[in-house]
Amino acid sequence: NAGVTQTPKFQVLKTGQSMTLQCAQDMNHEYMSWYRQDPGMGLRLIHYSVGAGITDQGEVPNGYNVSRSTTEDFPLRLLSAAPSQTSVYFCASRMGQGARYGYTFGSGTRLTVV
Amino acid sequence: AQSVAQPEDQVNVAEGNPLTVKCTYSVSGNPYLFWYVQYPNRGLQFLLKYITGDNLVKGSYGFEAEFNKSQTSFHLKKPSALVSDSALYFCAGGATNKLIFGTGTLLAVQP
Repeated sequence: NAGVTQTPKFQVLKTGQSMTLQCAQDMNHEYMSWYRQDPGMGLRLIHYSVGAGITDQGEVPNGYNVSRSTTEDFPLRLLSAAPSQTSVYFCASRMGQGARYGYTFGSGTRLTVV
Repeated sequence: AQSVAQPEDQVNVAEGNPLTVKCTYSVSGNPYLFWYVQYPNRGLQFLLKYITGDNLVKGSYGFEAEFNKSQTSFHLKKPSALVSDSALYFCAGGATNKLIFGTGTLLAVQP
């Protein structure tokens, strides 16, 4: 009963470096999403996926790419890290597309870009 | 545009006293409303949700929330606060497939 697993838990990057934040869920959830959490701004949606092979942008997608080759995995790629991307990143999944299902969240990745 | 507002950045309450964390929403149609709690260095955990039906929703750890359609509110309540309730609380709402989160309210319960 792992739920949503995110790796790594902590990461420090230099400006311009790239990296991939991993997210995997074992609940056979259709819908997965990535959020970033910044002080005073709550959670903002970066990208989401309604199923394998289908992804779309959220409200703050610039600088991030995603793909969804399997139902279980939804990695988030930072192509060229910038200090503005210093944040805590959460992956979340839910059973269906409807908001009524609510999310299961991973434990987060704390990213610092220097 | 849909929005969820948590008007208080922080709520302070003494242990044993009742607590209220406020949330108001602007969602077209019938809203789905949620409360999540986040402990330090942890992910968000589900507390309770309102989908339809009874306006008073009971959730985990003795928390409850009241859906008030006329005031577009979904305030989180607990009759008797515990020090262990100290955490960051998020309200979220949506109507179709998009869930909007509030900015969070830090609850501090003093012993």
